Amino acid sequence: GNSVTQMEGPVTLSEEAFLTINCTYTATGYPSLFWYVQYPGEGLQLLLKATKADDKGSNKGFEATYRKETTSFHLEKGSVQVSDSAVYFCALRNSGNTPLVFGKGTRLSVIA
Amino acid sequence: DAGVIQSPRHEVTEMGQEVTLRCKPISGHNSLFWYRQTMMRGLELLIYFNNNVPIDDSGMPEDRFSAKMPNASFSTLKIQPSEPRDSAVYFCASSLRGVAGVKGEQFFGPGTRLTVL
Repeated sequence: GNSVTQMEGPVTLSEEAFLTINCTYTATGYPSLFWYVQYPGEGLQLLLKATKADDKGSNKGFEATYRKETTSFHLEKGSVQVSDSAVYFCALRNSGNTPLVFGKGTRLSVIA
Repeated sequence: DAGVIQSPRHEVTEMGQEVTLRCKPISGHNSLFWYRQTMMRGLELLIYFNNNVPIDDSGMPEDRFSAKMPNASFSTLKIQPSEPRDSAVYFCASSLRGVAGVKGEQFFGPGTRLTVL
């Protein structure tokens, strides 16, 4: 079946530090891959996505590259800000309008 | 667009009572998803609809849970009777089936925080 595994948190970083949140997946076929972010008290928002191998999704300084050979989609940001404190979810979708399969989420806290 | 609308935002009820959560998807979207989020289990898919038809309800935990989508602009998730272990944040999401297999983004509502005492 389809599954997503992401690094457990919480992750605590100082402002301007480099961020990596690891995500690996298991899927049949060629899934699309997503990172969603959940700010405190809010619903999930799409942060970035990639629909095929070697695609790089990017948004708000965050990047992730779809690596088929390692079945990974790691999230990176070169310099985090306090406002990036949130829970980050890696997810995949295999086809059409089937549901997303989510990882368990990684809580990021950035301190000034 | 107002986005996905959920009501109520917060619900506190006593064990044994009926709870109804409501969702209005984004206009024009043809898929709707109900998720439950808890600290212990993370984000779980409960049920989803395509074109108002339930496609997969295997995530619905028990017969106490039921969901309906009477039309394209409204869905309900009902718990009857409610139990303390149902306490969670319930999210509704909607998406649009794209053409040529494009995998549409899911848009999430703000969630309903349910507390069953």
